[in-house]
Amino acid sequence: EDQVTQSPEALRLQEGESSSLNCSYTVSGLRGLFWYRQDPGKGPEFLFTLYSAGEEKEKERLKATLTKKESFLHITAPKPEDSATYLCAVSGVGSQGNLIFGKGTKLSVKP
Amino acid sequence: GAGVSQSPRYKVAKRGQDVALRCDPISGHVSLFWYQQALGQGPEFLTYFQNEAQLDKSGLPSDRFFAERPEGSVSTLKIQRTQQEDSAVYLCASSLNPSQATDTQYFGPGTRLTVL
Repeated sequence: EDQVTQSPEALRLQEGESSSLNCSYTVSGLRGLFWYRQDPGKGPEFLFTLYSAGEEKEKERLKATLTKKESFLHITAPKPEDSATYLCAVSGVGSQGNLIFGKGTKLSVKP
Repeated sequence: GAGVSQSPRYKVAKRGQDVALRCDPISGHVSLFWYQQALGQGPEFLTYFQNEAQLDKSGLPSDRFFAERPEGSVSTLKIQRTQQEDSAVYLCASSLNPSQATDTQYFGPGTRLTVL
């Protein structure tokens, strides 16, 4: 059964304090791993798609990496506006494209 | 351009009532997905449409849940005889291509359903 586990559940950082969020996955043939950001009361906002182990993608203060078992979302020198819940999801072979999500990591960045 | 829109944004229903939730996908997007998100959880897949065809409804939790997309654009998720456990945010997402499992899905703001 395809499964995604994210850790930690919650993370509090001071502004400028870099850290990483973890996403461990089990999937029968990975087609893609997705990172989304979700603000309270809003739908998930797309950040990155990673397709194969060793791949990395960057956007502003965020960098996503992928191995055969997990993905990391690295946040460098975060700002208060980076506070949100970060969701990881996978799409596997044999699916119709539906995403399997983790529970998310709630990030709070204090000034 | 306009993103995915959903209406209503909030819905309060008494237990046993029927509700209908609407999704307007991004224009031209072939694929449309419905997800259910309980408080503090990640979204869970409900059903998938490619144009007007419902190709996967394996995530629908019971036969009280029904979805349609008759003209291949707007979709409606209907819940009959609502129960308290149906309280959740219902998210709609669309993507450009059919059955492209790595295609980016763009989400709407969701409809928060509260069943009293």
